[in-house]
Amino acid sequence: GAGVSQTPSNKVTEKGKYVELRCDPISGHTALYWYRQSLGQGPEFLIYFQGTGAADDSGLPNDRFFAVRPEGSVSTLKIQRTERGDSAVYLCASSLYGGAGQPQHFGDGTRLSIL
Amino acid sequence: EDQVTQSPEALRLQEGESSSLNCSYTVSGLRGLFWYRQDPGKGPEFLFTLYSAGEEKEKERLKATLTKKESFLHITAPKPEDSATYLCAVPWAGGSEKLVFGKGTKLTVNP
Repeated sequence: GAGVSQTPSNKVTEKGKYVELRCDPISGHTALYWYRQSLGQGPEFLIYFQGTGAADDSGLPNDRFFAVRPEGSVSTLKIQRTERGDSAVYLCASSLYGGAGQPQHFGDGTRLSIL
Repeated sequence: EDQVTQSPEALRLQEGESSSLNCSYTVSGLRGLFWYRQDPGKGPEFLFTLYSAGEEKEKERLKATLTKKESFLHITAPKPEDSATYLCAVPWAGGSEKLVFGKGTKLTVNP
């Protein structure tokens, strides 16, 4: 596709459940990023992949959060034992080669609501 | 700790009334500053990258400028369709590729 694609666009689940959020980056982009955005705030970094490996996972809030990118393209963010505080919009971005000076291009996000 | 501060938090303009948004940053060794536009329910849309003090970039009614401490997004003769939240971001100084974002300025342009 032309842009970053994220599915589902909305996810509502109960506290304690497991969720998976999917990101399909722009074709050919080697770098992939996950961010989380709460209402009225800017996006907050979670994890960065260069190819298949997680180059920086310093933003993951705790061990309930995990992300994979097994073939260097699609990525899945996984959240175990969800809590109400996990409710937010989860954004995925990609850039061509990574590198601090390269623009990151964002998808429209998954709006996660934990009841 | 890197910090990005945007002001004002919200700005209301009449159509055609020019103004500027501010983004100040404290990161040392700047490796670029990014401006994004975000519409409700959408992801941030990339606008500009600025790399060095004195640099300017333009796109339609928007012009971004950069100094050693801050960046401005100038909006000339805005139209209602320019209404959005404008975010600025800088790469974290610690060597990672993560972006540190400000909270954004919500711009409303009334017809």
